[in-house]
Amino acid sequence: GAVVSQHPSRVICKSGTSVKIECRSLDFQATTMFWYRQFPKQSLMLMATSNEGSKATYEQGVEKDKFLINHASLTLSTLTVTSAHPEDSSFYICSAQGNGSSIYEQYFGPGTRLTVT
Amino acid sequence: QKEVEQNSGPLSVPEGAIASLNCTYSDRGSQSFFWYRQYSGKSPELIMSIYSNGDKEDGRFTAQLNKASQYVSLLIRDSQPSDSATYLCAGTGNTPLVFGKGTRLSVIA
Repeated sequence: GAVVSQHPSRVICKSGTSVKIECRSLDFQATTMFWYRQFPKQSLMLMATSNEGSKATYEQGVEKDKFLINHASLTLSTLTVTSAHPEDSSFYICSAQGNGSSIYEQYFGPGTRLTVT
Repeated sequence: QKEVEQNSGPLSVPEGAIASLNCTYSDRGSQSFFWYRQYSGKSPELIMSIYSNGDKEDGRFTAQLNKASQYVSLLIRDSQPSDSATYLCAGTGNTPLVFGKGTRLSVIA
């Protein structure tokens, strides 16, 4: 149990275009989903927290108009990187919360590697 | 500011030895603690959770929590080369998990 999928696993796009990343909890309903970004050899950086049916809460310094998050259902959240630039190239990872012995346990998706050329 | 501190390592241990990973946290309100393993280029994988003071064992892994000292640790017995990874400590009270920067473990065959 507690499987989280992400799609696509890898994407290359041109500067100025938008990219959508999907995160799904496959065998449980996720009360909350999180989006992280990780640059090479650096630690996880929380970008935003989303609850189904409500607006996402963004961390300080994360542009909400650039990183659009939609949490359409208890099993699906999407992150859209709008007008992508090379500095947005990174490893984007989602996680879902809502299963397990503690409501705080987070299960991570496999990540999406974004390269902006 | 809520912080979780870990020694970045690398921590090198010989195969078969016990690896000891440590973590301290600043938020006394934190109640739930987790250890994640992250292989290079992959996403984190939950390996242990602990909520009460004391030890919790699962196979070769033992998590230890001391809330008075605000200290969490992970012991890996009979370390294997496949245990070589970055280990992330995380804790929370009622907010999103706060992650440490991770300790890189290298198990030498």
